Amino acid sequence: EVQLVESGGGLVKPGGSLTLSCAASGFTFSSAWMSWVRQGPGRGLEWLGRIKSNGDGGTTHYAAPVEGRFTISRDDSKNTLYLQINSLTTEDTAVYYCVRSQCGAGCPGLNWFDPWGQGTQVTVSS
Amino acid sequence: EIVLTQSPATLSLSPGERATLSCRASQSVSRYLTWYQQKPGQAPRLLIYDASTRATGISGRFSGSGSGTDFTLTISSLEPEDFAVYYCQQRINWPLSFGGGTKVEMK
Repeated sequence: EVQLVESGGGLVKPGGSLTLSCAASGFTFSSAWMSWVRQGPGRGLEWLGRIKSNGDGGTTHYAAPVEGRFTISRDDSKNTLYLQINSLTTEDTAVYYCVRSQCGAGCPGLNWFDPWGQGTQVTVSS
Repeated sequence: EIVLTQSPATLSLSPGERATLSCRASQSVSRYLTWYQQKPGQAPRLLIYDASTRATGISGRFSGSGSGTDFTLTISSLEPEDFAVYYCQQRINWPLSFGGGTKVEMK
């Protein structure tokens, strides 16, 4: 069964940092392109960034509002994706989803997302 | 940035009725339009990609159509498990973006 399980969320003070993890199973993680998407309280979905597989260069691409403050990385030996978030503000309060980015190398267009993890809640509050 | 506008915001229907959801893009996205379903307390689930291709395991009562800037998700006959929020997403340009969602609620 294909599965993505996020962890690392919690209550953080403004200005703090946090690293979220996503454990993948049921597919060849090392060849997968992966993304993070968040959903703020009562709000819609916001794509945050993507990382290619190391075989395809391992490069990252971020949404402009989070670039420089969010960092996506991966450890293929652990089948794990990471999201490091610095300088947290209350606007970062959201459920953070790990997703597999479908339609990678050689596929026209950019990515859609399948599957999704169950999400991890990040709350930024003093 | 491509803005996706979904309408209506809320659709109140009864089981067995047909649901028609709209997603309009601020510029052409060709057919690079995806639909997701999200139920309360759950993560979104892929329904349709490339405007009209159903994802694996998705019921045939879900269908997508459209190209360019105007897209439609149709649920032919609503089942109780179909009452949820539906999002569209474009994948032609950075940043990847989602619509604001349409909630299909039980009348």
